[in-house]
Amino acid sequence: RKEVEQDPGPFNVPEGATVAFNCTYSNSASQSFFWYRQDCRKEPKLLMSVYSSGNEDGRFTAQLNRASQYISLLIRDSKLSDSATYLCVVNDAGKSTFGDGTTLTVKP
Amino acid sequence: DAGVIQSPRHEVTEMGQEVTLRCKPISGHNSLFWYRQTMMRGLELLIYFNNNVPIDDSGMPEDRFSAKMPNASFSTLKIQPSEPRDSAVYFCASSLTPGQGAGANVLTFGAGSRLTVL
Repeated sequence: RKEVEQDPGPFNVPEGATVAFNCTYSNSASQSFFWYRQDCRKEPKLLMSVYSSGNEDGRFTAQLNRASQYISLLIRDSKLSDSATYLCVVNDAGKSTFGDGTTLTVKP
Repeated sequence: DAGVIQSPRHEVTEMGQEVTLRCKPISGHNSLFWYRQTMMRGLELLIYFNNNVPIDDSGMPEDRFSAKMPNASFSTLKIQPSEPRDSAVYFCASSLTPGQGAGANVLTFGAGSRLTVL
């Protein structure tokens, strides 16, 4: 079993749709959590950190459930430019482990 | 800051040849990571350094792979001899370490080195 597991995807949604990605992790000692975005043939870039109380950045909302070892990302009013692969990342004592990513395609 | 700088961006080599990938982390970042990305295996952590010292090399595939960080501004990943299954994109990333301040554990990646071994 992988340390970080994500929805297999791909997700194909129309512009304006709301889409949610889920992620589970197995290491209960994990201390910090992130969502990264990776465009085709580019490097991963930080989208947002995930805090225990949940946090929002514009159209993006991230939530963490430590008891269930579950992280989510919600994208509202999706744009064409949101098309990318979204990577769930879990950090334990400085070591970051990535999920395999979920690919999102937003269509006109 | 120019960000994390990797070279070469692309390398095509023949099986058996030595490959050296280079990385310059962001100035002030104390942690440096080498990842490998393939379609089959996703992003895998190969090795990471803290204050130039290797902390965890459990992801290094085998003895053909070695990594060094002789100073705070430079690291290399070497493959000798290279094999076709080593073909992948190799990313270097750097971050602040816990205690260095806000943004600790947030990775900034270089653009990657795309390696093809024929």
